[in-house]
Amino acid sequence: DAGVTQSPTHLIKTRGQQVTLRCSPKSGHDTVSWYQQALGQGPQFIFQYYEEEERQRGNFPDRFSGHQFPNYSSELNVNALLLGDSALYLCASSLGSRGNQPQHFGDGTRLSIL
Amino acid sequence: DAKTTQPPSMDCAEGRAANLPCNHSTISGNEYVYWYRQIHSQGPQYIIHGLKNNETNEMASLIITEDRKSSTLILPHATLRDTAVYYCIVRLWANFGNEKLTFGTGTRLTIIP
Repeated sequence: DAGVTQSPTHLIKTRGQQVTLRCSPKSGHDTVSWYQQALGQGPQFIFQYYEEEERQRGNFPDRFSGHQFPNYSSELNVNALLLGDSALYLCASSLGSRGNQPQHFGDGTRLSIL
Repeated sequence: DAKTTQPPSMDCAEGRAANLPCNHSTISGNEYVYWYRQIHSQGPQYIIHGLKNNETNEMASLIITEDRKSSTLILPHATLRDTAVYYCIVRLWANFGNEKLTFGTGTRLTIIP
């Protein structure tokens, strides 16, 4: 039973560029959440997708956008990259049709902005 | 979401029980206590969660005080692989969908050989 998978594992971009990160949820899960983790900090919630719609959003600018596909996989897009966007980006999946379900995380994509 | 307070770091001898405290004095009646851990270079790993009763699974036990203002995560026989940052999170209950997780800075637990 595959867990949450994210790609790529590492990525280097320059300021002003755009990036797309991908996530495949754990088998049987239909909800995907994205988090940003800066070095030495806990993960910060970006947004959550369920039924191909953004259901919740954290305090992140519109440069951060996402998408969920019919197979429940998801993408995180970040435009006009800033140096401060350098972080570990984590995807978590869960079963949204039942309440209060634990979220299960992938090992993240390490994004470095030069 | 209620905020949590955890010690920044703790040490525990290998083979002993590791007891990680968490204060959540402003927790409300519809909020659960969740514990996750993050081993270096990996994503957070779900450990356990509870509302008001003590909970136990194959990884750990969760003891929640009667007034629900604090809790303790217990790893009964710590091994070197338990070295990680442990996050205590208070999360709003929802009967549909999934509420976000609000992480603090956690407790860095080091298991000493």
